[in-house]
Amino acid sequence: GQNIDQPTEMTATEGAIVQINCTYQTSGFNGLFWYQQHAGEAPTFLSYNVLDGLEEKGRFSSFLSRSKGYSYLLLKELQMKDSASYLCAVSPGLTGGGNKLTFGTGTQLKVEL
Amino acid sequence: DGGITQSPKYLFRKEGQNVTLSCEQNLNHDAMYWYRQDPGQGLRLIYYSQIVNDFQKGDIAEGYSVSREKKESFPLTVTSAQKNPTAFYLCASSIDNTRGGEAFFGQGTRLTVV
Repeated sequence: GQNIDQPTEMTATEGAIVQINCTYQTSGFNGLFWYQQHAGEAPTFLSYNVLDGLEEKGRFSSFLSRSKGYSYLLLKELQMKDSASYLCAVSPGLTGGGNKLTFGTGTQLKVEL
Repeated sequence: DGGITQSPKYLFRKEGQNVTLSCEQNLNHDAMYWYRQDPGQGLRLIYYSQIVNDFQKGDIAEGYSVSREKKESFPLTVTSAQKNPTAFYLCASSIDNTRGGEAFFGQGTRLTVV
């Protein structure tokens, strides 16, 4: 089966750094995705990790440990527009049915002044 | 510009009616997906298609049907058998269903039963 856990809500201050964690247990693994979703809008792609380590892309970084079934999304220099839901999703790969993603429930991040 | 388009953005359905949600992409993607999103829950997979004229049930396919007659199009029908259809529906596509390609999402259709 597939199980993905992430915190429901987080609050952080503008200009600060926040780390959103995601743990997963899946029948197969072909990569982990992070998406950002503003209320009522489509999710937009942030990052993809398939190998262990840190992937950096501007203010956003994502880390993966396959042995621990763990990932985090790191957001630096927070801005008010970063207030959104952050979705962790796992691709099970061929053993689990191709690239159909399994999503966590999302972490609602609120950035305050 | 390439992208994935869903229509309509808002849809109201009377109980007992079937409704069809449109999803079109011009990204030349082979794989397409339909997800349902409810408040406080993650996206749940309804149906997916890896190639034209082929599709597979996802985790919550009951009460839904799809077709994939063209590569660009993957319409979803919400039938009267779906007991709780009010939700936000998202269509997505990706290059290939076997590799870790990112999924691109449409803007969603918010369906409300009245």
